[in-house]
Amino acid sequence: DAGVTQSPTHLIKTRGQQVTLRCSPKSGHDTVSWYQQALGQGPQFIFQYYEEEERQRGNFPDRFSGHQFPNYSSELNVNALLLGDSALYLCASSLRIGGRNTGELFFGEGSRLTVL
Amino acid sequence: QQQVKQSPQSLIVQKGGISIINCAYENTAFDYFPWYQQFPGKGPALLIAIRPDVSEKKEGRFTISFNKSAKQFSLHIMDSQPGDSATYFCAASMHLGDMRFGAGTRLTVKP
Repeated sequence: DAGVTQSPTHLIKTRGQQVTLRCSPKSGHDTVSWYQQALGQGPQFIFQYYEEEERQRGNFPDRFSGHQFPNYSSELNVNALLLGDSALYLCASSLRIGGRNTGELFFGEGSRLTVL
Repeated sequence: QQQVKQSPQSLIVQKGGISIINCAYENTAFDYFPWYQQFPGKGPALLIAIRPDVSEKKEGRFTISFNKSAKQFSLHIMDSQPGDSATYFCAASMHLGDMRFGAGTRLTVKP
């Protein structure tokens, strides 16, 4: 049973560029959440996707956008990269029943983004 | 955005000792309080979680104590082992929505 998989594992970009990160949820899960984890900090919620729509959003600017596909996989896009966007980006999947979150988040190993 | 304060930042415990990590939250609407364990290079993994209708939950060597009136909860690791060395995060959420994480505690268990 495959867990949450993310790609790429590491990438380096320069300021002003754009990046796309990808996530495949755990088998059987239909909800994908994205988190940003700066070095030495706890993860911060970016947004959550369910039924191909953004359902919740944290305190992140519009430069951060996402998408969920019919197979439940998801992408995180960040435009106009800033040095401060350097972080580990974590994808987490979960299951909703009757539209309600049911609990445990399963995290992937993350994509380490470095902005130079 | 941080609504969960975690302490200490780092903790060193001898093998066999008790590790205690504390968290305090602000939003009384939170109704789910998990603890996550993260090893270097890995994503966080759920360790144990509690709802506010109980004051304690135990799973093996891991126990959550919850004090609703004080808006505090803590993780106790009994008989700490070197393999427990990791970073631990408390978190809180409302209706299992966006999870608000603490800043983390780096635990080192010395053999």
